[in-house]
Amino acid sequence: SQTIHQWPATLVQPVGSPLSLECTVEGTSNPNLYWYRQAAGRGLQLLFYSVGIGQISSEVPQNLSASRPQDRQFILSSKKLLLSDSGFYLCACRGAGQPQHFGDGTRLSIL
Amino acid sequence: QKEVEQDPGPLSVPEGAIVSLNCTYSNSAFQYFMWYRQYSRKGPELLMYTYSSGNKEDGRFTAQVDKSSKYISLFIRDSQPSDSATYLCAMSLWAGNMLTFGGGTRLMVKP
Repeated sequence: SQTIHQWPATLVQPVGSPLSLECTVEGTSNPNLYWYRQAAGRGLQLLFYSVGIGQISSEVPQNLSASRPQDRQFILSSKKLLLSDSGFYLCACRGAGQPQHFGDGTRLSIL
Repeated sequence: QKEVEQDPGPLSVPEGAIVSLNCTYSNSAFQYFMWYRQYSRKGPELLMYTYSSGNKEDGRFTAQVDKSSKYISLFIRDSQPSDSATYLCAMSLWAGNMLTFGGGTRLMVKP
């Protein structure tokens, strides 16, 4: 079965600092990978998805970017964080013929 | 109007009660339906995954899909305090398609 690793679990960053969140997946090959953001008390917003190495689609214009350097690695980045980037960031994975599963997320606070 | 509507709650029930959680949707083309459970500060965990109309049972959980009414339900029998969480419905057009999520219903089961 799929296992999704996300780190760190919690992160506090100052405004204007860079960001790198990593997600790695085990138990599946060539999965679709997703980054979501969940604001407090609100639903899930899809930020990026990837169907393969180097293939990234963005759902909303924003201050963030994503990369997929390896089949089972998905990275969320920013060059300069904004206050509005605070939130709960979730990585998700869908293997062939499988439903989508989520990691345990990174809680990002911007000061 | 949102594509998937879900009452945010909170829904408070006594231990042992039968819980009914519901979602309505507007796109009649949705074919795959999911329920996720999300504990505080954790990622969503897949509970039920169903295709088209009908019922699916797994232990104390039953998922029901009524495509003619564009209405899905999750029933929890003999509810426990450990069932206290936010429940998210999700749906997609086909197995590999993006998920459309409801906003989640917060459930509290009191001992």
